[in-house]
Amino acid sequence: QQQVKQSPQSLIVQKGGISIINCAYENTAFDYFPWYQQFPGKGPALLIAIRPDVSEKKEGRFTISFNKSAKQFSLHIMDSQPGDSATYFCAASIGSWRGSTLGRLYFGRGTQLTVWP
Amino acid sequence: DARVTQTPRHKVTEMGQEVTMRCQPILGHNTVFWYRQTMMQGLELLAYFRNRAPLDDSGMPKDRFSAEMPDATLATLKIQPSEPRDSAVYFCASGPESSGNTIYFGEGSWLTVV
Repeated sequence: QQQVKQSPQSLIVQKGGISIINCAYENTAFDYFPWYQQFPGKGPALLIAIRPDVSEKKEGRFTISFNKSAKQFSLHIMDSQPGDSATYFCAASIGSWRGSTLGRLYFGRGTQLTVWP
Repeated sequence: DARVTQTPRHKVTEMGQEVTMRCQPILGHNTVFWYRQTMMQGLELLAYFRNRAPLDDSGMPKDRFSAEMPDATLATLKIQPSEPRDSAVYFCASGPESSGNTIYFGEGSWLTVV
């Protein structure tokens, strides 16, 4: 059972456009929502993360929007660039590092973003 | 520049052979994860350790997979015997207890079982 559902599977955007990737979850105990970026041949790397006490977080061209009531969150990439072409994963986890079931990340299936020049 | 180091980076082996993958977590990180990435399943958690003790290995096929942390600087993932369906990229990740759930991935071990 997929704990975090991600869409779309792939996305093609023109340079300068806005890329939007959506994720949904069911477990209301999740309280940390990171996005990871993965380039070919590399491991995923943390891009930006949000906690549910805020509805939006922005870092440069990357913004997370969070809707707690709908149990959805999304990544917006403004002014998309060819260098943003990568696979993006949303994830969710519970609480702090304490406890046997805490700390693990549940990943979405990933979105392959291609930005055309 | 601290990073998670994985070896081997690439491995091609024949079905039935034993495969051992190694991971050196970032110094000071006390939590280590093993993930497997495939096109079909995405990123799956196989096992994770905190302070070298296994916390959850429910994602790992127990009959052929084993994971250990012989010491704080080494985590191993072993497959014996390997099968073609084990072909995937295996990632190790580590994180410090105080990071608030931020984990850092290695570059992966690309395994092909023929």
